[in-house]
Amino acid sequence: AQTVTQSQPEMSVQEAETVTLSCTYDTSESDYYLFWYKQPPSRQMILVIRQEAYKQQNATENRFSVNFQKAAKSFSLKISDSQLGDAAMYFCAYQSAAQKLVFGQGTRLTINP
Amino acid sequence: DADVTQTPRNRITKTGKRIMLECSQTKGHDRMYWYRQDPGLGLRLIYYSFDVKDINKGEISDGYSVSRQAQAKFSLSLESAIPNQTALYFCATSDPARAQETQYFGPGTRLLVL
Repeated sequence: AQTVTQSQPEMSVQEAETVTLSCTYDTSESDYYLFWYKQPPSRQMILVIRQEAYKQQNATENRFSVNFQKAAKSFSLKISDSQLGDAAMYFCAYQSAAQKLVFGQGTRLTINP
Repeated sequence: DADVTQTPRNRITKTGKRIMLECSQTKGHDRMYWYRQDPGLGLRLIYYSFDVKDINKGEISDGYSVSRQAQAKFSLSLESAIPNQTALYFCATSDPARAQETQYFGPGTRLLVL
């Protein structure tokens, strides 16, 4: 069974600085998707960024980018120019071809003004 | 209007009661999912449905049942609620043909079982 591990329960960063959230996963599949979801206090699950495993190029969405290392099964999220609105729980998730999402335990990100 | 809606948003019930959580979507997606989130944990899959006639158990289906009444509606039932089912419940939808495997989540239902 696939597993997703987020080893940082909490992270903090100064406003306008850059922070990287770590995620590793375990799978024997070659075709899959990886996601980062954000959960603010409103508890809504918001998609931040997605990465297809067959793509070598790292995904980027504005201030958010990933470092996808397929051989190492690592999928980190970098947030540049951190803003107060980025404060939230961040979940890394793995999705197999069967479309079942497996989530990590989450990282709580605090932005210090 | 939101694409994925859940009712109720909050619910308090007593041990042994039967309750139903409802999910509706206007995205036209075939696939729907129910997840549970416990404090300090990520979401875990309860049930999923790839179309109206297809229902599958997820990781933690014991104590739950589901009904896919239509493409747009997917309900989760707790036949006899117990306190350890207190959690945040999310519905999600996806359509691989149109949404590139991404799942879109409803706002969640917070359930407290006393």
